[in-house]
Amino acid sequence: EDQVTQSPEALRLQEGESSSLNCSYTVSGLRGLFWYRQDPGKGPEFLFTLYSAGEEKEKERLKATLTKKESFLHITAPKPEDSATYLCAVQARGSSNTGKLIFGQGTTLQVKP
Amino acid sequence: DTAVSQTPKYLVTQMGNDKSIKCEQNLGHDTMYWYKQDSKKFLKIMFSYNNKELIINETVPNRFSPKSPDKAHLNLHINSLELGDSAVYFCASSPNQGSTQYFGPGTRLTAL
Repeated sequence: EDQVTQSPEALRLQEGESSSLNCSYTVSGLRGLFWYRQDPGKGPEFLFTLYSAGEEKEKERLKATLTKKESFLHITAPKPEDSATYLCAVQARGSSNTGKLIFGQGTTLQVKP
Repeated sequence: DTAVSQTPKYLVTQMGNDKSIKCEQNLGHDTMYWYKQDSKKFLKIMFSYNNKELIINETVPNRFSPKSPDKAHLNLHINSLELGDSAVYFCASSPNQGSTQYFGPGTRLTAL
C-alpha cells in the first residue's frame, strides 16, 4: 500500500537555526513528490515538485531534495514567517491518469524570534 | 484574482441535515478534486473530476455526492450529516490529472 510518513510531527527552531524536515514514502513507482505549506485556517500552498532521485529545487530559504525512499525539506536560517505546517504528498505512476495524491500527516514548524 | 474559491468558509449545522459546499476555479484547469482534512491535519482525497467526468471516487459514504455542472465548478452535497463528517473540506484543481494541484481556502464543517 502506498504510504507517506513525515517526521518530526512538530519542530521548534530559533530564528536562524537551520534544520531539515523528512518525508519517507513507499509507492508503487513514483511519478512525483510534492511539498506544500499550510498556514492555519488556509489551504495548502504549493512549494515544489520533484520527479526523480537526485533532483533538488530551491525557493528562498527552502530547498527540497529527493532520493528513492525519502525527501528532505531543508530550511536555512529560518524566520518567524516560515512558521507553518509543511505537507508532503506523492503521486504514483499508476495514478498519473487520476491525479491522486497521498499525503503525509505534516510537520508543524514554529520559528521563534 | 485567479484562484480556487469555496463557499461557505464555515458551515455549522445539525446532524441529519443536508448541506452543500461550492467550489469554483478560474484557472482554466480541466481537473478538480475534493479532499477531507481531519483534526490531525491528514488530507485524504475523496473525489476527482476531469472535464465534468468522475475519475476518482474513494471509499466515501454514498451520503456524499459530488456534482460538476461545468469544468470550472465542482460542488459537494452531503446528505444526513453525521458527527464524523466534521472536518475541513478542500477543493483543488490542476491543469490535468497528473499535474500540480492548487487548493482553495477550505470549508470548515461542524455537525452538532
